[in-house]
Amino acid sequence: AQTIHQWPVAEIKAVGSPLSLGCTIKGKSSPNLYWYWQATGGTLQQLFYSITVGQVESVVQLNLSASRPKDDQFILSTEKLLLSHSGFYLCAWTGGFQNTLYFGAGTRLSVL
Amino acid sequence: QQQVRQSPQSLTVWEGETAILNCSYEDSTFNYFPWYQQFPGEGPALLISIRSVSDKKEDGRFTIFFNKREKKLSLHITDSQPGDSATYFCAASGTGNTGKLIFGLGTTLQVQP
Repeated sequence: AQTIHQWPVAEIKAVGSPLSLGCTIKGKSSPNLYWYWQATGGTLQQLFYSITVGQVESVVQLNLSASRPKDDQFILSTEKLLLSHSGFYLCAWTGGFQNTLYFGAGTRLSVL
Repeated sequence: QQQVRQSPQSLTVWEGETAILNCSYEDSTFNYFPWYQQFPGEGPALLISIRSVSDKKEDGRFTIFFNKREKKLSLHITDSQPGDSATYFCAASGTGNTGKLIFGLGTTLQVQP
């Protein structure tokens, strides 16, 4: 069975500090990977997607970047956090373009 | 503008009642419609989905009714339980591409015992 693990579970960071969030998929080779952002009480906004190692496409510009260093790993980062970055970050995966989208448990980020 | 609209924003029903959550969409090319259930502090989980070739999909107490002509669908939760209290997101995509799902703003359901 496939499992998706996100880390950390929660972060409290200062404005202007760097950030790195991670996601690992086990049990599925070559998944399509996605980063979503959810404001408190809000909808799900796709940020990035990757269909293969080393290739990442940006969907919205939020002063964030993403990388896929390994087949099973997806990283979200920024060098300088803004207050507007606060929210719930979700990693997701599919087995293909017409397969179910599965979400991880998320990382709660508070920027102060 | 919001391509996928949900109503109501919040809904309260008594245990045992049927909860009806509504969804409408703009893009006539959308052909795949999943509903996700999200509990506080957790990631969303797929609850049930339907493709535009069908007008109804049932899974236990959860049923999707789909009206292609009116570009509307609804999720019916029969015999609602307190454990169903969650936020429900309707989503849509064209060509069944689950990587390009457009999510609605969600309906928060509260089931009172």
